Amino acid sequence: DTAVSQTPKYLVTQMGNDKSIKCEQNLGHDTMYWYKQDSKKFLKIMFSYNNKELIINETVPNRFSPKSPDKAHLNLHINSLELGDSAVYFCASSQARTRVETQYFGPGTRLLVL
Amino acid sequence: GNSVTQMEGPVTLSEEAFLTINCTYTATGYPSLFWYVQYPGEGLQLLLKATKADDKGSNKGFEATYRKETTSFHLEKGSVQVSDSAVYFCALSSDSNYQLIWGAGTKLIIKP
Repeated sequence: DTAVSQTPKYLVTQMGNDKSIKCEQNLGHDTMYWYKQDSKKFLKIMFSYNNKELIINETVPNRFSPKSPDKAHLNLHINSLELGDSAVYFCASSQARTRVETQYFGPGTRLLVL
Repeated sequence: GNSVTQMEGPVTLSEEAFLTINCTYTATGYPSLFWYVQYPGEGLQLLLKATKADDKGSNKGFEATYRKETTSFHLEKGSVQVSDSAVYFCALSSDSNYQLIWGAGTKLIIKP
């Protein structure tokens, strides 16, 4: 059983298109995250939801819109894709929001914008 | 603000060598400290953590000790294997901001 799953694993698309990435966790966690990892492996937090409520909304273009239909799911929709959006996007979850929590990561979605 | 600095990579070692990857942090209060590992083509996974000063985290032969006096959390392993080749991330989380603050990652290459 995969704890945190993401679909699709690979996404190749043209500039200007709109795409979505889906994330599901079966750990019963309250908090979920989206990260962007660039080609140099640098990790940037994008969004975080706690019990379906947006709690972290870092400086990202408003072309990126997260949506959490329930505690187990956090999706990421990207409008008008640009070349600079090419990266690996990771979903993660944690039991709660405390400083001792471990985050559990999905396998990543590799997005390539042509 | 809070920050994490870790040594730049890549770090290249021969199998069975001793490993140290340095990590220092800046934070107010008493953060928790973490090492995560990312194997090629995979997501990150927790390697070890320490939640208070002088705690030692350990897992899979790796160790790190939370040193408040030197604001450090260096990762060590006595004898590395080819399978340890990965990117290692140091991170912290504080009571003022529960999100993880990440280091830039250190790529480790182990040659047989």
